[in-house]
Amino acid sequence: EPEVTQTPSHQVTQMGQEVILRCVPISNHLYFYWYRQILGQKVEFLVSFYNNEISEKSEIFDDQFSVERPDGSNFTLKIRSTKLEDSAMYFCASIQASRGYTFGSGTRLTVV
Amino acid sequence: SQELEQSPQSLIVQEGKNLTINCTSSKTLYGLYWYKQKYGEGLIFLMMLQKGGEEKSHEKITAKLDEKKQQSSLHITASQPSHAGIYLCGADPLTGNQFYFGTGTSLTVIP
Repeated sequence: EPEVTQTPSHQVTQMGQEVILRCVPISNHLYFYWYRQILGQKVEFLVSFYNNEISEKSEIFDDQFSVERPDGSNFTLKIRSTKLEDSAMYFCASIQASRGYTFGSGTRLTVV
Repeated sequence: SQELEQSPQSLIVQEGKNLTINCTSSKTLYGLYWYKQKYGEGLIFLMMLQKGGEEKSHEKITAKLDEKKQQSSLHITASQPSHAGIYLCGADPLTGNQFYFGTGTSLTVIP
């Protein structure tokens, strides 16, 4: 069964540092997503990406966040200057044009 | 916006008992997903339902989607401590391409 792979599984970073979360979507998928879940809270949509550009983003996805598909396989989420409140689980997802979401197992980001 | 309500919010059952978790959507769905999550950990995909009236089972877990494709239930038979965790439903709406998650149900199984 094809999988969405996220690395690292857990990252600890100091407040103010830049962090890049990495995702390898399923190879023939065309739409890519990032979601966030603050501990104990609901999983929230951050951004969707299609055809090398952002197609939709939430209010959470401010100027501190950016996404990129630097090559044919990786999809990254960059947080420019991390804040304590960025501590959360970050989930990547991808779908085919005909739908069928697959989520990665997540990266737990801890900002200290 | 798409809303997914889960009930109950939390559930404590004795080992061996059956239980049901419900997920209700405000809109018709293309697909309804069920996930399990341990607190602070990643998502474990359980099942995806697409057709009205569809029912799927995996081991002791059965999920159903109603004919209108707006309500789903997850039923666990003879619960075990290993079933404990947070159960999340997720919706792929018929229109638009943004996936939504439910509010979650926390399940505790007492040995």
